[in-house]
Amino acid sequence: QVRLQESGPGLVKPSETLSLTCAVSGFSISSGYYWGWIRQPPGKGLEWIGNIYHSGNTYYNPSLKSRVTISVDTSKSQFSLKLSSVTAADTAVYFCARRKYYDILTGYYTYFFDYWGQGTLVTVSS
Amino acid sequence: QSALTQPASVSGSPGQSITISCTGTSSDVGGYNYVSWYQQHPGKAPKLMIYDVSGRPSGVSNRFSGSKSGNTASLTISGLQPEDEADYYCSSYTSSSTLFGSGTKVTVL
Repeated sequence: QVRLQESGPGLVKPSETLSLTCAVSGFSISSGYYWGWIRQPPGKGLEWIGNIYHSGNTYYNPSLKSRVTISVDTSKSQFSLKLSSVTAADTAVYFCARRKYYDILTGYYTYFFDYWGQGTLVTVSS
Repeated sequence: QSALTQPASVSGSPGQSITISCTGTSSDVGGYNYVSWYQQHPGKAPKLMIYDVSGRPSGVSNRFSGSKSGNTASLTISGLQPEDEADYYCSSYTSSSTLFGSGTKVTVL
């Protein structure tokens, strides 16, 4: 069974860097899927942050690109998020998720998040 | 990038059918058949309900169906049940990026 689990500090000071890790179990992180980060401010909607492939290829939300770094460690079966220069607006529940991009059975490309972590609340406050 | 537009709320009685719209542009919803829908109960992670406009993952009830016309995608829930009360988000691929909708709260009366 595919499982994703976020971990990291629940409180970050303004102007500092938010760092989270997503541990993947029950599935090989190198098996042809992208891995993504999505966040949700309290009481608000979902916002895509970015995706990474096991090769290290990344795609970022243009509005966050200057502050975001996503990396992958295949040996530990985990991928990470760093968001720099945080402000109160970055307070949110952060989810990690698996993103499918190709269906072997049909031979077609696809695009959706099929497995999600439970999410972790990160509060930016001094 | 702006969020895709969804109605803030939709309601219906048990057994009824409701439809949630998701409006984007020709650069996202209208340009690709990569629209997905997610159900989110309070305090929980989103759950995939529909992928690639109308695909339904294994284990998702066939009461949930998706479609698209032009720049607007739709999620229909037929035979509405109390457990369907939740927030619903659409999502679309757009030029190496991902957009989510503004979210719709579904209330079962």
